[in-house]
Amino acid sequence: DQQVKQNSPSLSVQEGRISILNCDYTNSMFDYFLWYKKYPAEGPTFLISISSIKDKNEDGRFTVFLNKSAKHLSLHIVPSQPGDSAVYFCAATQGGSEKLVFGKGTKLTVNP
Amino acid sequence: DAGVTQSPTHLIKTRGQQVTLRCSPKSGHDTVSWYQQALGQGPQFIFQYYEEEERQRGNFPDRFSGHQFPNYSSELNVNALLLGDSALYLCASSSWTGFPYEQYFGPGTRLTVT
Repeated sequence: DQQVKQNSPSLSVQEGRISILNCDYTNSMFDYFLWYKKYPAEGPTFLISISSIKDKNEDGRFTVFLNKSAKHLSLHIVPSQPGDSAVYFCAATQGGSEKLVFGKGTKLTVNP
Repeated sequence: DAGVTQSPTHLIKTRGQQVTLRCSPKSGHDTVSWYQQALGQGPQFIFQYYEEEERQRGNFPDRFSGHQFPNYSSELNVNALLLGDSALYLCASSSWTGFPYEQYFGPGTRLTVT
């Protein structure tokens, strides 16, 4: 039972363009969402997060959008850079718990 | 400032054996969580330790156990290894008094069970 789903295993974009990574969830009790980036041979690195009381959060080139009615969130990277090439994981949690529920990840490739 | 460190980097074990993985949290962190990441999957929460006690547990059998030491470092023990235990084991640390969701991950231990 996959509570957090990332339906696109991979995404390829050109440098300078926008990257949009999508994530869907099924558990309506989730109230906090996070995006992690993972390079090969490294652990996941926290990127950006959003509380369920918001619908948007920005941090530099990264913006996360949350649509609670659709149980959908997306990560926008503008402009995309080759160094952004990595696997991106969507994660969710509830009630202040630090137990994160992860999606399977989307491998982003940014081509120069 | 050292981040989260894990040892060993790689490990090969035989079915039925027992294994111990180790984790040192980031300086200033007092909470350690363990995750299992199977090939092609996202990390799955195993359990979390704070103040030397297991605080939360995911859907893993009792073969998976842990320990936290007074210096906040932690061990993950897996008994009676199965082929399906082959995975990347990630340790994450955080501060109970800090931003609760910002967990810092180590590079992981790659366990192969043959």
